[in-house]
Amino acid sequence: EPEVTQTPSHQVTQMGQEVILRCVPISNHLYFYWYRQILGQKVEFLVSFYNNEISEKSEIFDDQFSVERPDGSNFTLKIRSTKLEDSAMYFCASDPGSTSYEQYFGPGTRLTVT
Amino acid sequence: QKEVEQNSGPLSVPEGAIASLNCTYSDRGSQSFFWYRQYSGKSPELIMFIYSNGDKEDGRFTAQLNKASQYVSLLIRDSQPSDSATYLCAVNRDSSNTGKLIFGQGTTLQVKP
Repeated sequence: EPEVTQTPSHQVTQMGQEVILRCVPISNHLYFYWYRQILGQKVEFLVSFYNNEISEKSEIFDDQFSVERPDGSNFTLKIRSTKLEDSAMYFCASDPGSTSYEQYFGPGTRLTVT
Repeated sequence: QKEVEQNSGPLSVPEGAIASLNCTYSDRGSQSFFWYRQYSGKSPELIMFIYSNGDKEDGRFTAQLNKASQYVSLLIRDSQPSDSATYLCAVNRDSSNTGKLIFGQGTTLQVKP
């Protein structure tokens, strides 16, 4: 069964450093998303991406964040200058493009900013 | 008022019983409703989605939607210890049109052997 994959599974970085989180969505899916979950808190939407552009972003997704689909398979989230409060699980999700928006999540990347 | 509200639990049921998980939402324009299961330290796993009023059954799981009451629930029949997890309710707003999901805090279910 096709799955969303994410790398790395755990990233430790120092405050102020740039990180790139990578995702390979399910093949033939059309919509891609990033969510995050701070430990003990709810899953929060960051950004949705369709047809090679951002379709919606949350207030969390400020100028420090960017997304890219550099080729036909990868989908990346970049944080330019990490802050302590960026420490969280980051989940990539993809959606086949049906009207119901059913999203399938990857295993996540645990980002720890020290 | 929280956009998507769930009782955090824990909800404890004996093995073989029916577990009933509830969720309310504030935006009347919401169109699609999802239940995800999340084991500790893992990612959300889609169990069911529903967008029409009424019941939708899939194996041991039944999702129920009542848009007039802004209420969605998940029933798990013949609960097993492996069902012990946090169950997340998520909602997609009609106005969003981008697939953005708004999640509740989740309800922790404990199924005791």
